[in-house]
Amino acid sequence: TQLLEQSPQFLSIQEGENLTVYCNSSSVFSSLQWYRQEPGEGPVLLVTVVTGGEVKKLKRLTFQFGDARKDSSLHITAAQPGDTGLYLCAGATPGGGADGLTFGKGTHLIIQP
Amino acid sequence: GAGVSQSPRYKVAKRGQDVALRCDPISGHVSLFWYQQALGQGPEFLTYFQNEAQLDKSGLPSDRFFAERPEGSVSTLKIQRTQQEDSAVYLCASSLVGDRHYGYTFGSGTRLTVV
Repeated sequence: TQLLEQSPQFLSIQEGENLTVYCNSSSVFSSLQWYRQEPGEGPVLLVTVVTGGEVKKLKRLTFQFGDARKDSSLHITAAQPGDTGLYLCAGATPGGGADGLTFGKGTHLIIQP
Repeated sequence: GAGVSQSPRYKVAKRGQDVALRCDPISGHVSLFWYQQALGQGPEFLTYFQNEAQLDKSGLPSDRFFAERPEGSVSTLKIQRTQQEDSAVYLCASSLVGDRHYGYTFGSGTRLTVV
């Protein structure tokens, strides 16, 4: 079983602050996805990273895939209350195919106005 | 439809009752996945379909769980003789192609409570 550990589990900060959340594994993943989930809804895909060392930006969100493809980070600049939610990382195992993704337990993020 | 539709949104079942959860994926999406999400946890993989073929059911927790997608579109997840530990949100996701690198579109889920 390949595990993805996310940290911190909970994070509450003030509007305007910067933050970074992490997704780590001892296993190599062929790609890694980040999702954001709000209460009562399903996860919504934010980004997919495929290449080791890859950096992708989505407005104030910056995603990085580790060189060894075992870890990833999500950095949010100038957080806003609308960023509040559960952030999930999910990894795809090497070898191709379409079997299920492995999800982490998520980081619960609260941005206070 | 525009998104993945799941029904019912909420289901309360008495222990021992059978339930059926429906997923209507995005039209034309080849791949369909079922996930189980316990309170405060990330989703856990249950099963995967490519068109009507169930290619992976390794995540189904017991033989009380059964899923089908007979015509390659709508899928049903059936749980027989429900137990309290089955209480969770059941998420359905679909993908246009059979490559998980493209990411999934999830439905809003069915919250099952077994009492």
